Amino acid sequence: NAGVTQTPKFRVLKTGQSMTLLCAQDMNHEYMYWYRQDPGMGLRLIHYSVGEGTTAKGEVPDGYNVSRLKKQNFLLGLESAAPSQTSVYFCASSRRSSTGNIPYGYTFGSGTRLTVV
Amino acid sequence: AQKVTQAQTEISVVEKEDVTLDCVYETRDTTYYLFWYKQPPSGELVFLIRRNSFDEQNEISGRYSWNFQKSTSSFNFTITASQVVDSAVYFCALSEVSTGTASKLTFGTGTRLQVTL
Repeated sequence: NAGVTQTPKFRVLKTGQSMTLLCAQDMNHEYMYWYRQDPGMGLRLIHYSVGEGTTAKGEVPDGYNVSRLKKQNFLLGLESAAPSQTSVYFCASSRRSSTGNIPYGYTFGSGTRLTVV
Repeated sequence: AQKVTQAQTEISVVEKEDVTLDCVYETRDTTYYLFWYKQPPSGELVFLIRRNSFDEQNEISGRYSWNFQKSTSSFNFTITASQVVDSAVYFCALSEVSTGTASKLTFGTGTRLQVTL
């Protein structure tokens, strides 16, 4: 049972380069999320998705784009990386309740450590 | 806006001591959910507990216990007889209840717990 898988685990980018982080879940969860974790700031929501083909902005969306073409995958893109995007990125997924309004705990991936130089 | 405050940045205890991690939250919602997550040195985030705003009973799970007090907007986490394996960063999080959409978690900045022999 893989749960949530993130690739790659580590990456070093030069300023201005682009890259895509891939998140895959095998739990048939409706909801998926991208967070970034920075020292002293906890986890902050970048973008999220409530289902295939839908995405929405979170707390810190600038500089990132996302896509959810398939229910099991949620991609996070950096079009032009900046040093301020150096962070650890976590993908998470959660199920949708039958009533639609009870939040379940997230299942997190193991994270991607990104350094932009 | 929702906010979660974990005022204790870092706590160090000797094994077998009891330790309490504080969590104070702010929300305008009358219905909400609170969570605790553990992030061990390996980096993954592990779900510990979910509690809804209607249930103020304390929860105990082995050496872990949680004290929810709505009157003081606190959801504190106590580890009894701490062990070295409890060394981790612990995050408290708050979720709104939104019908038909993803329940986004707002995280605190985390408390790093160091348990030594």
